Amino acid sequence: DAKTTQPPSMDCAEGRAANLPCNHSTISGNEYVYWYRQIHSQGPQYIIHGLKNNETNEMASLIITEDRKSSTLILPHATLRDTAVYYCIVRYTGNQFYFGTGTSLTVIP
Amino acid sequence: NAGVTQTPKFQVLKTGQSMTLQCAQDMNHNSMYWYRQDPGMGLRLIYYSASEGTTDKGEVPNGYNVSRLNKREFSLRLESAAPSQTSVYFCASKWTGGYNEQFFGPGTRLTVL
Repeated sequence: DAKTTQPPSMDCAEGRAANLPCNHSTISGNEYVYWYRQIHSQGPQYIIHGLKNNETNEMASLIITEDRKSSTLILPHATLRDTAVYYCIVRYTGNQFYFGTGTSLTVIP
Repeated sequence: NAGVTQTPKFQVLKTGQSMTLQCAQDMNHNSMYWYRQDPGMGLRLIYYSASEGTTDKGEVPNGYNVSRLNKREFSLRLESAAPSQTSVYFCASKWTGGYNEQFFGPGTRLTVL
């Protein structure tokens, strides 16, 4: 049951903004969108989450379309340490997070 | 705080052997989770425990059992390991309720021969 669709890989030049898209066309009204990243084979790291408003924190910004069918994670000034697999996750109102295969972001010097 | 810790870091088993993966958290979280990650794949939820004394199946529970020993500890047991269970296992925890983030441990790399 694929809740989200992401491109398998993306490149970004160091210092530029990285824009990672995610489609979640079957999202329901009370499901949040979460973003995590996984560097090498470490445990995933939380980045940001949102319901319908745009969100920003010290790591990134999350832009959710008005119809909530897609979202974009923005890393404003990508560094080499941002090279990782980024997961867009729709959280059920219960406990379950469903991770897809994510987007492998490579930041190029 | 150590956050979420997992033991062992690496393990090799023979088919049919049993073992228990240990997970502990020191953040006073109510909910704990076990995921597996196969090569090139995202994480899949095996079991979770929303609070001490409760456990529920996730997406891929077959071949596993869990025990929520107390608020801090949540163990995952393989009774009769199979090669298909070769994977990296991650434990996570969070506050119950609201839409709080999950905190993940460093993982246990398990190979079943």
